[in-house]
Amino acid sequence: EPEVTQTPSHQVTQMGQEVILRCVPISNHLYFYWYRQILGQKVEFLVSFYNNEISEKSEIFDDQFSVERPDGSNFTLKIRSTKLEDSAMYFCASSDPGGLETQYFGPGTRLLVL
Amino acid sequence: RKEVEQDPGPFNVPEGATVAFNCTYSNSASQSFFWYRQDCRKEPKLLMSVYSSGNEDGRFTAQLNRASQYISLLIRDSKLSDSATYLCAVRDNYGQNFVFGPGTRLSVLP
Repeated sequence: EPEVTQTPSHQVTQMGQEVILRCVPISNHLYFYWYRQILGQKVEFLVSFYNNEISEKSEIFDDQFSVERPDGSNFTLKIRSTKLEDSAMYFCASSDPGGLETQYFGPGTRLLVL
Repeated sequence: RKEVEQDPGPFNVPEGATVAFNCTYSNSASQSFFWYRQDCRKEPKLLMSVYSSGNEDGRFTAQLNRASQYISLLIRDSKLSDSATYLCAVRDNYGQNFVFGPGTRLSVLP
């Protein structure tokens, strides 16, 4: 069964450093997403991406964040200058709008900012 | 008012019990509804989509009441492996992103 993959599984970084989280969505999907989940809290939408551009973003997705699809398979989330409060689990998801638009999630990257 | 609300939980039930989860949403333009389960420190995994007519998948039954803006999930004959947090997800008509509820944790006890 096709699945979304993410790397790395864990990332520890110093405050102010840049991090890039990587995702490989399901190959025939057209919509891609990033969500985050702070420990003990709910899953929160960050950004959606379609046709090589951002289609929606939340208030959380400020200028420190950017997304890119550098090639035909990878989808990345960059945090330019990490803050302590960026520590969270980051989930990538993808969906095929031709179906029921169900989103399938990757296993997540746990980011810890020190 | 929060966009998607769920029973606060946790629910602790014995094996074999029937358990019901409730979810309400505030955006009347919401179009698609889903139940996900999330194991500790894992990703949300799709459990079932929720259709207007209600739908069943084995021991799981989901129902939607658009007038009351309410979704439910019923688990019959609960198993130890059903222990997880159950997340309600709602998508509105204008975007692709999901709004998740805070989740309800279920522990099925032997």
